[in-house]
Amino acid sequence: EDQVTQSPEALRLQEGESSSLNCSYTVSGLRGLFWYRQDPGKGPEFLFTLYSAGEEKEKERLKATLTKKESFLHITAPKPEDSATYLCAVEDSNDYKLSFGAGTTVTVRA
Amino acid sequence: DGGITQSPKYLFRKEGQNVTLSCEQNLNHDAMYWYRQDPGQGLRLIYYSQIVNDFQKGDIAEGYSVSREKKESFPLTVTSAQKNPTAFYLCASSIEGQGRQPQHFGDGTRLSIL
Repeated sequence: EDQVTQSPEALRLQEGESSSLNCSYTVSGLRGLFWYRQDPGKGPEFLFTLYSAGEEKEKERLKATLTKKESFLHITAPKPEDSATYLCAVEDSNDYKLSFGAGTTVTVRA
Repeated sequence: DGGITQSPKYLFRKEGQNVTLSCEQNLNHDAMYWYRQDPGQGLRLIYYSQIVNDFQKGDIAEGYSVSREKKESFPLTVTSAQKNPTAFYLCASSIEGQGRQPQHFGDGTRLSIL
């Protein structure tokens, strides 16, 4: 069974204080790893897809990286508007379903 | 603008009642999905459909039913057999259901028990 574990559960940052979120996964074969941002009361918003170890993607203050066992979402010089829950999901090459982690809730204080 | 519309935003269910959650997309996506989100847990797949008139059970299908009569629409019925229906329900779609494509989500329906 595919497993996705995100850590930490919650992260409180001061504005400008860079940090990283972790997503570790267990799958028989990775077809893709997806990062989403979710604001309270809203649906997840797609951020990145990573397909193979060593791949990196960037968007504004966010950078996602991938190894064979985990992915990191780096937040550089965060602003209050980066406060959200960040979700990680993996797609197993044996089927087309996504397995989601429970998320990391990031709070950035001004 | 293209997107996924879920309605209603809030829904209340009485004991023994079936309720239906609406999901409509105008992205011309082939695949559609229903998830349930509970506090402290990852999203769990209820049902998915890769093409019109076809759908498959996800990991927690018991107590739920769906239909896919049109490409744009994928309604979810929460039946009285679902004993713990209180949750945030999310509908998603993707270009096609053969993998490697991101799923795009609606803004959810929050279901509560009266």
